[in-house]
Amino acid sequence: LAKTTQPISMDSYEGQEVNITCSHNNIATNDYITWYQQFPSQGPRFIIQGYKTKVTNEVASLFIPADRKSSTLSLPRVSLSDTAVYYCLVGEGPGNTGKLIFGQGTTLQVKP
Amino acid sequence: EAQVTQNPRYLITVTGKKLTVTCSQNMNHEYMSWYRQDPGLGLRQIYYSMNVEVTDKGDVPEGYKVSRKEKRNFPLILESPSPNQTSLYFCASSTDRGRDTEAFFGQGTRLTVV
Repeated sequence: LAKTTQPISMDSYEGQEVNITCSHNNIATNDYITWYQQFPSQGPRFIIQGYKTKVTNEVASLFIPADRKSSTLSLPRVSLSDTAVYYCLVGEGPGNTGKLIFGQGTTLQVKP
Repeated sequence: EAQVTQNPRYLITVTGKKLTVTCSQNMNHEYMSWYRQDPGLGLRQIYYSMNVEVTDKGDVPEGYKVSRKEKRNFPLILESPSPNQTSLYFCASSTDRGRDTEAFFGQGTRLTVV
């Protein structure tokens, strides 16, 4: 699976838009880009997944440039409850072996 | 409601006393996995199963056993727990759609071995 690089931590304030960028220079042609959110002592939760261009759902947007070597998770108008660790994963998804490779993730701290 | 259920949520045990952590999913998923999460080491896969009676080792299988007799259940067995198995454990399940699937995780089991 392609290695990913994310900032270790980010701070934001309530109501702001937060953008977390993930670098994945060695992404393979068939790889999807997936983001998970994890609160302390809880299991990771799927946020969004994409292959190219832009994907939007009810909680986030995912921007993927044409070369797919990076991606940006965008959280609109964050609240205190968005404080969590965000993981960017690149690969074939969990299907073949169920294995997801989580890096260190980005710890987002939302302040009032 | 679609969910992965682990039990117990918290467990303190003594070295060498066999224990089982149960995992059940109600989404008819083919794939199930166990992970452990440790500070500084992230989430690491212990064992996985692609379907009933099909299991295989992940990255850190030593000291653990699993079984998949039914599609919905995937228990994690520690035959002789040791203190280095003190960790936060997560069970996960996913469908057999390959690349574009998402994994669903349980609430976690915090195990302490003294």
